[in-house]
Amino acid sequence: ETGVTQSPTHLIKTRGQQVTLRCSSQSGHNTVSWYQQALGQGPQFIFQYYREEENGRGNFPPRFSGLQFPNYSSELNVNALELDDSALYLCASSLAIQKRTGELFFGEGSRLTVL
Amino acid sequence: AQSVTQLGSHVSVSEGALVLLRCNYSSSVPPYLFWYVQYPNQGLQLLLKYTSAATLVKGINGFEAEFKKSETSFHLTKPSAHMSDAAEYFCAVSVYLDNDMRFGAGTRLTVKP
Repeated sequence: ETGVTQSPTHLIKTRGQQVTLRCSSQSGHNTVSWYQQALGQGPQFIFQYYREEENGRGNFPPRFSGLQFPNYSSELNVNALELDDSALYLCASSLAIQKRTGELFFGEGSRLTVL
Repeated sequence: AQSVTQLGSHVSVSEGALVLLRCNYSSSVPPYLFWYVQYPNQGLQLLLKYTSAATLVKGINGFEAEFKKSETSFHLTKPSAHMSDAAEYFCAVSVYLDNDMRFGAGTRLTVKP
C-alpha cells in the first residue's frame, strides 16, 4: 500500500512569486486535505478536495488555490507569495466522506521558505 | 466550530517516568478525537483515535487516552517514557461529515536520560 507522497520536499521562493506543491493520495483514498503548519504551531486547514471539487475551505485568502485530478492526486498553488507563507505544507488523504471517521493520513510535507 | 486546547507547550519527563499530555476539546456535537505525533522534519503519524466506541483508547507505542465527556478531555498517557518518545504531539478534533479537522498548538515532549 502506497502512502501519501508530496513533492518537492523543500523549496525556496522570493516574495511575489508563485509556487505549486503536489500530492499523491494513499491508495483507495479519494479525499485530499491541505494544511499549513507554521513553525512552532499546529496544522491549519487550508482546504479539502473531493471528487475534483473544493469541499470546504479554511481562513485562507483566494491566492491559495488547488486542484484535484481524476486519479485523486492534488496540487496546492499559492500566488503572490508573502514572507508569512513560509511553512510546512502538509497533504493528507482520507476515505470517501460518507465512510470517513475523520482519520487523516499525512505525507511528510513540503517545506516552503519565502525570502 | 469544534476546537482543541493543549495545556502545556512543552513537557519534560525522565526516561521511565509517566507521560501525561493534556487536551481539552470543544464541540457542539459528539466529536472524533485524535492524537498525532510528529518527529522532526516529518509529517504527522496517528497514535490513536476515539470514534465513540470505548472511552479508553489504546494506540501505538504504548500510548493510551481516555475520553471524558464530563471533563471534555482526551489526555494522552504512557506509563513509562522512552527516549524515542521525544517528539511533538498534536491533539485534534473532527465531527462527522465535517471536512475540517482542527489541531491544537502541539506539545513538545522531551525525555531526559
